[in-house]
Amino acid sequence: GDSVTQMEGPVTLSEEAFLTINCTYTATGYPSLFWYVQYPGEGLQLLLKATKADDKGSNKGFEATYRKETTSFHLEKGSVQVSDSAVYFCALRGSASKIIFGSGTRLSIRP
Amino acid sequence: EAGVAQSPRYKIIEKRQSVAFWCNPISGHATLYWYQQILGQGPKLLIQFQNNGVVDDSQLPKDRFSAERLKGVDSTLKIQPAKLEDSAVYLCASSLDLMGGQSYEQYFGPGTRLTVT
Repeated sequence: GDSVTQMEGPVTLSEEAFLTINCTYTATGYPSLFWYVQYPGEGLQLLLKATKADDKGSNKGFEATYRKETTSFHLEKGSVQVSDSAVYFCALRGSASKIIFGSGTRLSIRP
Repeated sequence: EAGVAQSPRYKIIEKRQSVAFWCNPISGHATLYWYQQILGQGPKLLIQFQNNGVVDDSQLPKDRFSAERLKGVDSTLKIQPAKLEDSAVYLCASSLDLMGGQSYEQYFGPGTRLTVT
């Protein structure tokens, strides 16, 4: 069945560092791919998405590119801030229209 | 626009007791989802409603879990009897999705944290 594997955390970085959180997927067909973020004490929010190969999703300085050849959707940000501290989930929506989430990566940014 | 509302936010019960969670989706959203998020894991879909009909309940442990969505708006999720492994955050989400149509973004509520002792 469809599945998502993402980089285990926690990840701790200093402010202004470069961020990469790896995500790979297994799915039949052509899934849509998502990154969700969960800030402390808040609900899950959609951060960005891509619906077809080579699409780049971007929001709040974060980017991820849908790479079909490597079945990946890695999350990147050039310069992280303390306010980016959160748990990040990679997810896909496949042919069954159900969203499958990865296990989440906790990110902590040091001032 | 008001978001997805859930209550209670926290609940502590003993095993074998029963518990119910309530969700009020965003107004006009046809589809409602209940997810279970165990600590350290991603959310797992328990049940999906389209209006007041069930679309997918393949991962709902039906011997102890039940859910309903009366009048296609609010929904309740019940666990009876609870087990220790039911300790988790229960998330409700809603979307505009209509059967066979375009898939829209899911909006999540803040969740209910259940602790079973």
